[in-house]
Amino acid sequence: QSVLTQPPSVSGAPGQRVTISCTGSSSNIGAGADVHWYQQLPGTAPKLLIYVENNRPSGVPDRFSGSKSGTSASLAITGLQAEDEADYYCQSYDFRVNGAVVFGGGTRLTVL
Amino acid sequence: HVQLRESGPGLVKPSETLSLTCNISDGSISVYSWHWLRQPPGKGLEWIGYVYSTGKRDYNPSLRSRVIISVDSLNHHFSLHLTSVTAADTAVYYCARKTVAFDTWGQGTLVTVSS
Repeated sequence: QSVLTQPPSVSGAPGQRVTISCTGSSSNIGAGADVHWYQQLPGTAPKLLIYVENNRPSGVPDRFSGSKSGTSASLAITGLQAEDEADYYCQSYDFRVNGAVVFGGGTRLTVL
Repeated sequence: HVQLRESGPGLVKPSETLSLTCNISDGSISVYSWHWLRQPPGKGLEWIGYVYSTGKRDYNPSLRSRVIISVDSLNHHFSLHLTSVTAADTAVYYCARKTVAFDTWGQGTLVTVSS
């Protein structure tokens, strides 16, 4: 059972917009903890996609964006492409356990 | 840019100690925190713990009794030791650098716990 809750799967057709939610609680996201997002392509290590809610590392397309409200965060992907098919993880910190790193369970994005 | 590479045995017997090393390609070990994470086959990511070059460290409460993470700043590497392993510890183990987030990851190494 992950501290952060994500839908197991989402899907969309090429060109569409999809969103992935990440629900936490008052001890993590709701307490103001930073939220980061990672993309994991099949058979590879995770890659940082979005940091501190809505900042993109160099090289990440602006089709990817993040947001946060209350105890939840979201990742949005616009102009969906076949290469976006991957697992996506949100990550934050939980202040009940001394700021320990916590992850969502991951969301598998399928491009139809 | 910095590269990380995990090394260590791919097979460990139950009840023994899993030991891995992460080599850092540049001299940035003194600047950031260095982490171990793992991913059981077909499952999600789990944070194990971190260490700074100063020796400051912390661990996932669920693993704290079995984990030690150490650092060797002189040789640009840090290590993971996980004791009393069981089949539940079978996973791909990743080392990672954390600046604001985990911005650099190793390729990962699969460790299987089996007799």
